[in-house]
Amino acid sequence: DTGVSQDPRHKITKRGQNVTFRCDPISEHNRLYWYRQTLGQGPEFLTYFQNEAQLEKSRLLSDRFSAERPKGSFSTLEIQRTEQGDSAMYLCASSLTRGSSYEQYFGPGTRLTVT
Amino acid sequence: AQSVAQPEDQVNVAEGNPLTVKCTYSVSGNPYLFWYVQYPNRGLQFLLKYITGDNLVKGSYGFEAEFNKSQTSFHLKKPSALVSDSALYFCAVRAILGDTGRRALTFGSGTRLQVQP
Repeated sequence: DTGVSQDPRHKITKRGQNVTFRCDPISEHNRLYWYRQTLGQGPEFLTYFQNEAQLEKSRLLSDRFSAERPKGSFSTLEIQRTEQGDSAMYLCASSLTRGSSYEQYFGPGTRLTVT
Repeated sequence: AQSVAQPEDQVNVAEGNPLTVKCTYSVSGNPYLFWYVQYPNRGLQFLLKYITGDNLVKGSYGFEAEFNKSQTSFHLKKPSALVSDSALYFCAVRAILGDTGRRALTFGSGTRLQVQP
């Protein structure tokens, strides 16, 4: 499978714990995005990388959230001191900056439940 | 700021009938427009895009969409619906802002398509 992969697919954690999610983009894609989707809503942008540089962060990305893409390949999203409001599906997407390939390809998501 | 409106939470259509899922957008300048489909417990799948050129764009699974600049709309259509088309559909927009512009997509809230046999 050469698509975007995310790990884990599901995570249940207690309030106050830290969690980390991983995203592996399509191998030749240089842009990587994180989105959050809550029930009944469309995905909301969190942050994006071009290669290893984090170029934009949404106001949704509080100080408890941090993302990295150290070698310009896989990325991690960490949430510290989780809150119940962090419960959502976290989606990763990747895209290629070449030609007319503007579409983003999404992974299956990591569903986070904070109890 | 850019935004997308999908005015219908749900669209019901009988199998074999044509379907339309509506989308309007607001963006500074010219838009890039996209439709994605989401099946239960699966990620978003890209259906089609409008970047430039012909206002009618064709995509996967027989879907097409028409870009209407004056009405700022990008409605998704299919001539003959299948039961297997039942899913959640999202419209998304991205502004063309040059190299320093925002690359992220802004999504609508989604429209659930229900195709009855």
